[in-house]
Amino acid sequence: DTGVSQDPRHKITKRGQNVTFRCDPISEHNRLYWYRQTLGQGPEFLTYFQNEAQLEKSRLLSDRFSAERPKGSFSTLEIQRTEQGDSAMYLCASSFGDYNTGELFFGEGSRLTVL
Amino acid sequence: GQQLNQSPQSMFIQEGEDVSMNCTSSSIFNTWLWYKQDPGEGPVLLIALYKAGELTSNGRLTAQFGITRKDSFLNISASIPSDVGIYFCAGGLNDMRFGAGTRLTVKP
Repeated sequence: DTGVSQDPRHKITKRGQNVTFRCDPISEHNRLYWYRQTLGQGPEFLTYFQNEAQLEKSRLLSDRFSAERPKGSFSTLEIQRTEQGDSAMYLCASSFGDYNTGELFFGEGSRLTVL
Repeated sequence: GQQLNQSPQSMFIQEGEDVSMNCTSSSIFNTWLWYKQDPGEGPVLLIALYKAGELTSNGRLTAQFGITRKDSFLNISASIPSDVGIYFCAGGLNDMRFGAGTRLTVKP
């Protein structure tokens, strides 16, 4: 399978715990995005990388959230001291190019439930 | 929060009927896109539009980039059961924002 893969698909955690999600983009894609999606809503932009550089972060990304893409390939999204409001689907997407055309390839998402 | 207004929120139609949904923005966009999301999956790109007035088809799907650059519509002709899902518009200048989605149900 050469699509975007995310791990884990589901995570249940207790409030206050830290969680980390991993995204493996399509191999030749240089741009990687993280979105958050809650029930009944469309994806909300969190952050994106071009190669290993994190070029934009949404105001939604509080200081408890951190994302990395150390070698310009896979990326991790860590949420520290989780809160119930963090419960959502976290979607990763990738694309190729020097600018954002909007043509994103999404993974299946990592669903987080904070109890 | 969402910056795009997508309507309708949901549609219940009979197989074979045509469907139309639209999206509006308060600001001008350079790009409009339409995605479909099935349960438990990530969104999949259906159509991308890059020019005001552009009308693009992909099989039974047709989408248009509004002349004002503040709106777009998606039409699905002769709906079939596998058209069921949530359709999202997305648009922007340098970054992409998504609408809240139109949930389509097709009754056989």
